[in-house]
Amino acid sequence: QKEVEQNSGPLSVPEGAIASLNCTYSDRVSQSFFWYRQYSGKSPELIMSIYSNGDKEDGRFTAQLNKASQYVSLLIRDSQPSDSATYLCAGYNTDKLIFGTGTRLQVFP
Amino acid sequence: DTGVSQNPRHKITKRGQNVTFRCDPISEHNRLYWYRQTLGQGPEFLTYFQNEAQLEKSRLLSDRFSAERPKGSFSTLEIQRTEQGDSAMYLCASSPQGATEAFFGQGTRLTVV
Repeated sequence: QKEVEQNSGPLSVPEGAIASLNCTYSDRVSQSFFWYRQYSGKSPELIMSIYSNGDKEDGRFTAQLNKASQYVSLLIRDSQPSDSATYLCAGYNTDKLIFGTGTRLQVFP
Repeated sequence: DTGVSQNPRHKITKRGQNVTFRCDPISEHNRLYWYRQTLGQGPEFLTYFQNEAQLEKSRLLSDRFSAERPKGSFSTLEIQRTEQGDSAMYLCASSPQGATEAFFGQGTRLTVV
């Protein structure tokens, strides 16, 4: 099993809908998790971090962590075309971040 | 701009040549990471420094790759005898003491022809 796994997508949602992005992780990854947004040709940008079980909200973004099931999710409410990007899930492993392959999100008008 | 800075942004080189990239981390961030990213993949860890000490190197980092951070500030990544398979985006990130999140620079896109 890979340390961090994501469905590569694309995930297509209409403008204004909720986009739900998921990520699972192995025992080799610790309990700190991050979501990065990456536009095509650009570098990853940190948008959310979550350290404890439950939900964490920041504006239109909600990160959810379920340690029992070993998954992390990111919800984007009121999706906008500008949210179209690849979303990378990362977990912390022995002093470094380990990334999934990313999920491409497409928000269509 | 006080973010992570990488130079050059783009590099095209012929196979067999050596290339060197530079990364200036966010001021006072003591951890510095190098990652490599190819199309359709997430960033892959290469190596990291805490201050000037290189604490971990990935098995991906062959002996053609070397990284330094001589004074605990900027870092360089050198690739010797480049191969076409080295074509990728090379990303640098930094992290403050005690934190787990990392902040990325703009990346250096390497194309080996």
